[in-house]
Amino acid sequence: TQLLEQSPQFLSIQEGENLTVYCNSSSVFSSLQWYRQEPGEGPVLLVTVVTGGEVKKLKRLTFQFGDARKDSSLHITAAQPGDTGLYLCAGDHRDTGNQFYFGTGTSLTVIP
Amino acid sequence: DSGVTQTPKHLITATGQRVTLRCSPRSGDLSVYWYQQSLDQGLQFLIQYYNGEERAKGNILERFSAQQFPDLHSELNLSSLELGDSALYFCASSATSSLLVLFFGQGTRLTVV
Repeated sequence: TQLLEQSPQFLSIQEGENLTVYCNSSSVFSSLQWYRQEPGEGPVLLVTVVTGGEVKKLKRLTFQFGDARKDSSLHITAAQPGDTGLYLCAGDHRDTGNQFYFGTGTSLTVIP
Repeated sequence: DSGVTQTPKHLITATGQRVTLRCSPRSGDLSVYWYQQSLDQGLQFLIQYYNGEERAKGNILERFSAQQFPDLHSELNLSSLELGDSALYFCASSATSSLLVLFFGQGTRLTVV
């Protein structure tokens, strides 16, 4: 059973299109993070959101933390081939002794 | 470069064998986490150490064990290897902070044949 479910699992879009990736859970997280992983590399942190309803922007990427701190979304505007990769959300789950859970992942391919 | 070093990068071994994966955390980080990533299971948490002591345990098999040494480097031992153990094994480290941020190494790709 996955604590964090991401959708869609796979996404293939044309350069210039917009997209949204979702990360959902029935559990509350004290913080939630988004990572991007490229083939053969470890995940790299993109952003951390802490407050319910928080919105953070990183150039063309917009991250939102749900009001109840159970879900998050990642929106990419005008996707570029360099955005291609595996996007992972991860949550700090205090109830389990501060374990860090990763979502199921969304594999994004941006076609030039 | 995350500052987390994992060795070896690639490992090919036969079923039934035992291997040791090594991880050096970022300078100053006391926590080390081990994750297993396979195609059908995603990134699965195995175990966490903090300053030499086991802090949290995830889906780690009894055939697997880990430890963190006084110099804070960590080793993950995998024994009686099976074909299904083939995966990427990642180590991550974090600083002591109320806000948890993980820095990952480049991983060790283990292939069991």
